[in-house]
Amino acid sequence: DTEVTQTPKHLVMGMTNKKSLKCEQHMGHRAMYWYKQKAKKPPELMFVYSYEKLSINESVPSRFSPECPNSSLLNLHLHALQPEDSALYLCASSPRGEGAQNYGYTFGSGTRLTVV
Amino acid sequence: QKEVEQNSGPLSVPEGAIASLNCTYSDRGSQSFFWYRQYSGKSPELIMSIYSNGDKEDGRFTAQLNKASQYVSLLIRDSQPSDSATYLCAVKKWATGNQFYFGTGTSLTVIP
Repeated sequence: DTEVTQTPKHLVMGMTNKKSLKCEQHMGHRAMYWYKQKAKKPPELMFVYSYEKLSINESVPSRFSPECPNSSLLNLHLHALQPEDSALYLCASSPRGEGAQNYGYTFGSGTRLTVV
Repeated sequence: QKEVEQNSGPLSVPEGAIASLNCTYSDRGSQSFFWYRQYSGKSPELIMSIYSNGDKEDGRFTAQLNKASQYVSLLIRDSQPSDSATYLCAVKKWATGNQFYFGTGTSLTVIP
């Protein structure tokens, strides 16, 4: 299995809703990432999990709450989002440990989020 | 200074021509370099990686790395309309825990 699976593919939510994005990989990668991408912009790093521990939080608002229940799963919990949070949310994974520096990230297909 | 710089384009080439995409990086501590292709509305797809000086070829794609000049490029030979996409250059720095730094991307259009 060489894929990162993200669900749902599309999500429309109101500003008072609570929803979660899910990401799963079975490549044995011990680093997992959440990125946000707006149209015609590069992906913007939000969170990094390394060995299931949060290692980087790029000053993301608290209405985004990541969770890594185990080495294969990554969630992003959403609450009280704003219309400007509408974007493509990408999950990625990569190996850790010796030799990992020469491996790229594998991206999931993304969740297209619209906040209304 | 940005970690990674790319010409945003758009770059247009006729079908069958060579497309040349360029990227510069600021930190000599950068160790690994990657090219991603991203179609509109889709996620980035890794197409090439390179970490040694010189050229690396894979089918119609050639990545070139010059660490002295802090320059990495991607050549696409015999360009096809299906190559029309945004190409993202990414740099990995071991000193920051293998964190990725993306360029802003170059939009390529191959004209039939």
